[in-house]
Parts: sequence; C-alpha cells; structure tokens
Amino acid sequence: GDSVTQMEGPVTLSEEAFLTINCTYTATGYPSLFWYVQYPGEGLQLLLKATKADDKGSNKGFEATYRKETTSFHLEKGSVQVSDSAVYFCALSPLNDYKLSFGAGTTVTVRA
Amino acid sequence: GAVVSQHPSWVICKSGTSVKIECRSLDFQATTMFWYRQFPKQSLMLMATSNEGSKATYEQGVEKDKFLINHASLTLSTLTVTSAHPEDSSFYICSARGGGKETQYFGPGTRLLVL
Repeated sequence: GDSVTQMEGPVTLSEEAFLTINCTYTATGYPSLFWYVQYPGEGLQLLLKATKADDKGSNKGFEATYRKETTSFHLEKGSVQVSDSAVYFCALSPLNDYKLSFGAGTTVTVRA
Repeated sequence: GAVVSQHPSWVICKSGTSVKIECRSLDFQATTMFWYRQFPKQSLMLMATSNEGSKATYEQGVEKDKFLINHASLTLSTLTVTSAHPEDSSFYICSARGGGKETQYFGPGTRLLVL
C-alpha cells in the first residue's frame, strides 16, 4: 500500500541555518503530496502541496519539489527562524482519493 | 476561511464511561470528515472516514462499535469513544473537506485521558 518515509528527528538548528527534511513515498500512480506543520499546542496546518510531477509547492519560505523519478518531496528552507520550531509531516493522497497517509513526523527546534 | 473546531479540547474520564468529541466546520460545508488518532511523538493514523448522511468507513483494525462516528450534518461530525479504557487515551484529531475545497483542514485536536 501507499506509504511515506521521512527523515527521523529531532533536528536542532540555529537561526538562519538551512533546513532540509527528506521525504520519500511509495504509491501507485500519481499521488498528491503535502507537507503539514504542527506548532506546539496547535492542530495540523497545510504548509504546501504539489499535485503532479515537477510541481514546486512553496509557502512561508519553505519549498518542496515533486520528484517522480526519485519518488521524493523533500522540504527545504534557506533561513529558519525560531518561529519555525514545530513538527513537520510529509503526507500523500492517492489519485482520486482524499485519504491522507502521513510520515512519522520530524520535530524541528530552532535556537536563537 | 476553512476553520475546523473540535470540542472539547481535552477531557479526562473514568474507565468504562463514554466520551463524545465534536468536530465542526465553521465556514464551509464538509461533505467528508476524517478522524485520526495520534500517539505521543508518532504520526497520525486514520481511524475512519465519514460522509454526511451515510455510515462511516473504518480503517482496518479500528473497532466500529468502540468508536462510533456520526456525521449528521454538513458541518458536524461526532466521535464517541464507548466504554473507554486507559489504552484509549490519545490525541484525537478530525479533519474536513468539502465546499469545493479539496484540501483537508484539521481541527486542533482533543486530548483524551482515561483513568
């Protein structure tokens, strides 16, 4: 079945550092790919998404590119802030289905 | 827009009692709602999918008699944990989609502690 594997954390960075969180997936066909963020004490929020190969999703300085050839959707941000401290989840939904399969989540802590 | 609320935000109950959690879409009509369970430091596991006016579809391994789901209107779904036990303690999260929105929008979650 469909599955998502993302980089294990926790990840600790200094402000203005570069962040990468790796995410790979296994799915049939062409799923939609998502990154969700969960800030401390809050619910999940959609950060960005991509629905077809080579699409780039971007939001709040974060980017991720849908790579069909490597079945990846790595999340990147060039300069993190303390406010980016959160848990980040990679997820996919199969073509013509709205069910989401989540990765295990990566906890990111940014220190001033 | 696209706000989903849950009530209560946290609940403590005695073993053997039943607990109802509400999930509401505040500014759109949710044709489909999803219920997830999240264990500490783990990912979200889909429990069931509910469409307005029809029975919920449960994922493999989820007891439908234990976790009763009712999606009675386009803005409300409820999850009732029946005869709760300590192992049911968890963080329960709902999400909703509909009203022309393909993306799922998540509620803030309900933390359940069964003593």
